[in-house]
Amino acid sequence: NAGVMQNPRHLVRRRGQEARLRCSPMKGHSHVYWYRQLPEEGLKFMVYLQKENIIDESGMPKERFSAEFPKEGPSILRIQQVVRGDSAAYFCASSPKGGQLKSYEQYFGPGTRLTVT
Amino acid sequence: RKEVEQDPGPFNVPEGATVAFNCTYSNSASQSFFWYRQDCRKEPKLLMSVYSSGNEDGRFTAQLNRASQYISLLIRDSKLSDSATYLCVVNGGSTLGRLYFGRGTQLTVWP
Repeated sequence: NAGVMQNPRHLVRRRGQEARLRCSPMKGHSHVYWYRQLPEEGLKFMVYLQKENIIDESGMPKERFSAEFPKEGPSILRIQQVVRGDSAAYFCASSPKGGQLKSYEQYFGPGTRLTVT
Repeated sequence: RKEVEQDPGPFNVPEGATVAFNCTYSNSASQSFFWYRQDCRKEPKLLMSVYSSGNEDGRFTAQLNRASQYISLLIRDSKLSDSATYLCVVNGGSTLGRLYFGRGTQLTVWP
């Protein structure tokens, strides 16, 4: 199955630690997106990346959060010095190459549930 | 004003019923419209894409009214397996990749 893969599925961190979330897009997809879903809330866009390029990071908090999608390997969402408010489900999605509207259909991975204690 | 607004429900319907969900969006420049379903504690799954005035896929029909900035999803002959949260999703206009999600409409189909 060449679906979107995320790991770890569950991550527990103490306040002040770093969290690293990984995402491998579907085979043939070159666009990656990260979303966050807080308990009882809708999904919120964080960042849109292509290989080695950040296209739109307007949804990322200004501090402590960063994302990358290197030439080789998965996309990484990094949260430094985590706080309790970072506890959420983080979903990664991927889409094919851009161009036609249909190319922007996004397919989601199973998510990483981050718990900050 | 939120980018995407949906009636949160819940909708509780018997098997075989027809149910309709409505959604409005605020950005008139939006070009792509989707319905996703999300089961409890799972990832959203793409149900339908809506690029013209509407389309049909089996028991599911989606309609788009750009003038009113309104999207709907109709489910006919509901099945128990249709129980889920249905998310109305709209792209951000200037950045095609950015999606805005409604908070979802919860559907429960009972036997």
